[in-house]
Amino acid sequence: KNQVEQSPQSLIILEGKNCTLQCNYTVSPFSNLRWYKQDTGRGPVSLTIMTFSENTKSNGRYTATLDADTKQSSLHITASQLSDSASYICVVSARSNFGNEKLTFGTGTRLTIIP
Amino acid sequence: DAGVTQSPTHLIKTRGQQVTLRCSPKSGHDTVSWYQQALGQGPQFIFQYYEEEERQRGNFPDRFSGHQFPNYSSELNVNALLLGDSALYLCASSMTVLAGGSYEQYFGPGTRLTVT
Repeated sequence: KNQVEQSPQSLIILEGKNCTLQCNYTVSPFSNLRWYKQDTGRGPVSLTIMTFSENTKSNGRYTATLDADTKQSSLHITASQLSDSASYICVVSARSNFGNEKLTFGTGTRLTIIP
Repeated sequence: DAGVTQSPTHLIKTRGQQVTLRCSPKSGHDTVSWYQQALGQGPQFIFQYYEEEERQRGNFPDRFSGHQFPNYSSELNVNALLLGDSALYLCASSMTVLAGGSYEQYFGPGTRLTVT
């Protein structure tokens, strides 16, 4: 069964500090891994997408890494801001029999930035 | 260019009733996926529509059905509502890449359904 596990479940840090969120997955056949940011009651917004051959990808203060051998990914947030408070969801895509993709979502890490 | 839009924003129904949720995809997108997100959980895949047909389906009962129109917009219908159907329903649109490769799903703001 395809699964995506994230840790920690929740995290509270001071504004300006850095943090790293973790994602472990068992999804096959692997197609790509995505990180989404979801504000409360809103739809997820894509931060990064990485394929098998990509080790790292950045989007501003967000940097995602991927180790396809250990099936682990991390999302590093630098110099956190109050607006970074949200849930961060790791999503792994598997190629389906139709040639398109099926997404498996993690339950997310709830990040709270305090002033 | 409008992104993915969903209506209504919020909805309250009673057990046993039926509900229809609507989604308009981002301009240029032809594929619509629907997800159910319970409070504190990640989204769960319901089904995906392409060329007006259901292409993939998650582990949801037949009470959940959908439709895609020629203009690529889509509806999600839920019959015989249960309390457990209370959730945020997300619609995501994308462009199908027939030759394979990665495509990005853009999510709408969601419809919050409360069943009492």
